[in-house]
Amino acid sequence: EAQVTQNPRYLITVTGKKLTVTCSQNMNHEYMSWYRQDPGLGLRQIYYSMNVEVTDKGDVPEGYKVSRKEKRNFPLILESPSPNQTSLYFCASRQTGPRFNEKLFFGSGTQLSVL
Amino acid sequence: AQTVTQSQPEMSVQEAETVTLSCTYDTSENNYYLFWYKQPPSRQMILVIRQEAYKQQNATENRFSVNFQKAAKSFSLKISDSQLGDTAMYFCALRHDYKLSFGAGTTVTVRA
Repeated sequence: EAQVTQNPRYLITVTGKKLTVTCSQNMNHEYMSWYRQDPGLGLRQIYYSMNVEVTDKGDVPEGYKVSRKEKRNFPLILESPSPNQTSLYFCASRQTGPRFNEKLFFGSGTQLSVL
Repeated sequence: AQTVTQSQPEMSVQEAETVTLSCTYDTSENNYYLFWYKQPPSRQMILVIRQEAYKQQNATENRFSVNFQKAAKSFSLKISDSQLGDTAMYFCALRHDYKLSFGAGTTVTVRA
């Protein structure tokens, strides 16, 4: 089954404790991206990756890191989480190029609480 | 910079009736895509409908249709024959190149 898998689904942590949210897709997609969802703000793009070893900032990159060493994986790293990073996070992927319908596949989300 | 505005935080509709969700956007680009996504209580993001900016014809998907007014930068979603399963938050989104921007969302409640 074609899917984007995020882990964990729920995470409670404390300020300053480094954490990683994993994202993996099994569709051989070039493009992957991370979003955070906050009430009244919708989803905002954090980082995106056009292909292996190619990443760029979205609208709200501060406090986050990403890496794309393999095509299927795109982890989101919070090196020193703060309470304002409490949010619902989504990973997504899609094929690129004019031959494809470019549908964006979303993961199931990770609810992060930073105390 | 590109922005998406949804001015209706909440809407309520009777089952079987029609509801229209508003969305306006701003971009300096000429080639872009517009989307409506549905997010039910399960939190899953579900693509409802998409529109390429270069196409003048409004997109339709079963009971969902859009009114795309490029000059006015408006992209409204009409849900016809509303069903209880349509209860969800709906997000309007704009994509240019690798950037994707969402509106704040509209919560739609379908009443039995």
